[in-house]
Amino acid sequence: GAVVSQHPSWVICKSGTSVKIECRSLDFQATTMFWYRQFPKQSLMLMATSNEGSKATYEQGVEKDKFLINHASLTLSTLTVTSAHPEDSSFYICSARDGPQETQYFGPGTRLLVL
Amino acid sequence: QKEVEQNSGPLSVPEGAIASLNCTYSDRVSQSFFWYRQYSGKSPELIMSIYSNGDKEDGRFTAQLNKASQYVSLLIRDSQPSDSATYLCAVNTQAGTALIFGKGTTLSVSS
Repeated sequence: GAVVSQHPSWVICKSGTSVKIECRSLDFQATTMFWYRQFPKQSLMLMATSNEGSKATYEQGVEKDKFLINHASLTLSTLTVTSAHPEDSSFYICSARDGPQETQYFGPGTRLLVL
Repeated sequence: QKEVEQNSGPLSVPEGAIASLNCTYSDRVSQSFFWYRQYSGKSPELIMSIYSNGDKEDGRFTAQLNKASQYVSLLIRDSQPSDSATYLCAVNTQAGTALIFGKGTTLSVSS
């Protein structure tokens, strides 16, 4: 099956710093990738849709200036959490869509802790 | 508002039993349907996809789709403790958009 990787898997940072998370589709090209956030014992929350070569589409309530998304190639999308604060601590998961069947494959996730 | 509904559970079954997970969706034109499994602290993992009415079997898993009733289910035969997880139903309602996920059903299989 299709494989999606994320890096890093864990990150601890100080409040006010920026953190970049990479999402890669390893064995397929993904014109569209998605970024989710999940708090403990809560549902997946879609943050934004990332399309290769164009601006990301953010869900209502997600600050686009705080969560910068770049989808520079068909296999790489990045999420940068700018000026991170403790309330941004969460589990960030990307997914990539493979083909016309609209199947989404998830990366293993990045756990962010902001101190 | 396009919605996907699941019973949150927990659904508890003994080892070896059949677990039945259900999902309904609101958008009648939905075309693609998926079941994901999510272990605690991990990301979702695709189990099954189904696109046409009827049953689709893969090992111990069977997905069932009834578009007239807007209903999709997942049966797990010979349930094992390792099947204990949250199962997410996801529906694609429009090409090019993100899947719409249900909130998930927590399954607990006791040995």
